[in-house]
Amino acid sequence: DIQMTQSPSSVSASVGGRVTITCRASQDISTSLAWYQQKPGKAPKLLIYAASTLQSGVPSRFSGSGSGTDFTLTISSLQPEDFATYYCQQANSFPLTFGGGTQVEIK
Amino acid sequence: EVQLVESGGGLVQPGGSLRLSCAASGFTVSSNYMSWVRQAPGKGLEWVSLIYRGDSTNYADSVKGRFTISRDNSKNILYLQMNSLRAEDTAVYYCAKIMIRGVNENWGRGTLVTVSS
Repeated sequence: DIQMTQSPSSVSASVGGRVTITCRASQDISTSLAWYQQKPGKAPKLLIYAASTLQSGVPSRFSGSGSGTDFTLTISSLQPEDFATYYCQQANSFPLTFGGGTQVEIK
Repeated sequence: EVQLVESGGGLVQPGGSLRLSCAASGFTVSSNYMSWVRQAPGKGLEWVSLIYRGDSTNYADSVKGRFTISRDNSKNILYLQMNSLRAEDTAVYYCAKIMIRGVNENWGRGTLVTVSS
């Protein structure tokens, strides 16, 4: 199974600030990576797929990059509605696996 | 508009069974890959199962042999039959429409399954 390791597990940032979350795969997954946002009590929401393709309707302050084993999600200017938990997921092979999540908190 | 609504969750004793349903609208279940993902209380996301456009299926090792994914094309509903339930199966279960290669594009609100005596 491919292990997905996210860091940090939590980060504090101010509104308007910049946040970068990293996700590392235990083996090469090319660009088969997705990022999701989840707010408390809600279902996850797809933000980015194929490592860097923004899902329709997602604000451009979200961006993704990387290939192979190392990936990043960047939020360029945090908005109040961005405080949530973020998960990466590899879509390269079964079983599909998620990272442990990164909680973005208000500073 | 794509909508997914899960139902069928509840409290069940260890060793018991439950069938979850996911009613879809705005698209055809039979023409898409569909998945189930679960989230234990206070924990992260765990992929459970996926069904292809045909009848092929795939399962996480943790549920293989106990859970069965299926769909009723005439009703446009996705199912997850869960047998031999264990305490560690306690979670919110989400159904999702797959976009490409295992990417969960649209999600339902989830249904809570609690396995406890």
